[in-house]
Amino acid sequence: DVKVTQSSRYLVKRTGEKVFLECVQDMDHENMFWYRQDPGLGLRLIYFSYDVKMKEKGDIPEGYSVSREKKERFSLILESASTNQTSMYLCASSSPGELFFGEGSRLTVL
Amino acid sequence: DQQVKQNSPSLSVQEGRISILNCDYTNSMFDYFLWYKKYPAEGPTFLISISSIKDKNEDGRFTVFLNKSAKHLSLHIVPSQPGDSAVYFCAFTSGTYKYIFGTGTRLKVLA
Repeated sequence: DVKVTQSSRYLVKRTGEKVFLECVQDMDHENMFWYRQDPGLGLRLIYFSYDVKMKEKGDIPEGYSVSREKKERFSLILESASTNQTSMYLCASSSPGELFFGEGSRLTVL
Repeated sequence: DQQVKQNSPSLSVQEGRISILNCDYTNSMFDYFLWYKKYPAEGPTFLISISSIKDKNEDGRFTVFLNKSAKHLSLHIVPSQPGDSAVYFCAFTSGTYKYIFGTGTRLKVLA
């Protein structure tokens, strides 16, 4: 069964803190993605990776970075969290024609 | 530049009736179209898809229709059930890495 696992379901951080969101997939997919979901805005792509150590910016990369050291793991990093980064973060991996999502990580920045 | 629009942010339907969710797009390069369903505090789950060479695809109670000339995608759920209450996102891709999502429609099925 397809599995995308996000390390934290709920996090509360303070402004200026560094935040790591980790994602692991067990399907040997090459492509992995980070989205954020906000009410009325749908899912917006932050970054994606099409191979180990390869990454590309999505539509809203500002304030974020990513790391893909191993094929199965894709991390999202907020170097200095801000209140406007309070959101639901969704990791996904893809096979041709389908995205598989993790359960999501709800981040609140105070 | 919004390439995908779900113009109805919410929809309420009686149990047993048909639910129709709509999506409009502008990019004629899209060749694969998907619908995802999302419950609160969970990740989206894949529901149904259609390729650009078809105009209809069915899976049980769910049917997706594609009108390429109008650049319009719709999802029909018949009969609607209370468990269908969720947010529905349409998504589009042109065979690249990128998937473009709509803003979502919150469906509420009333018992």
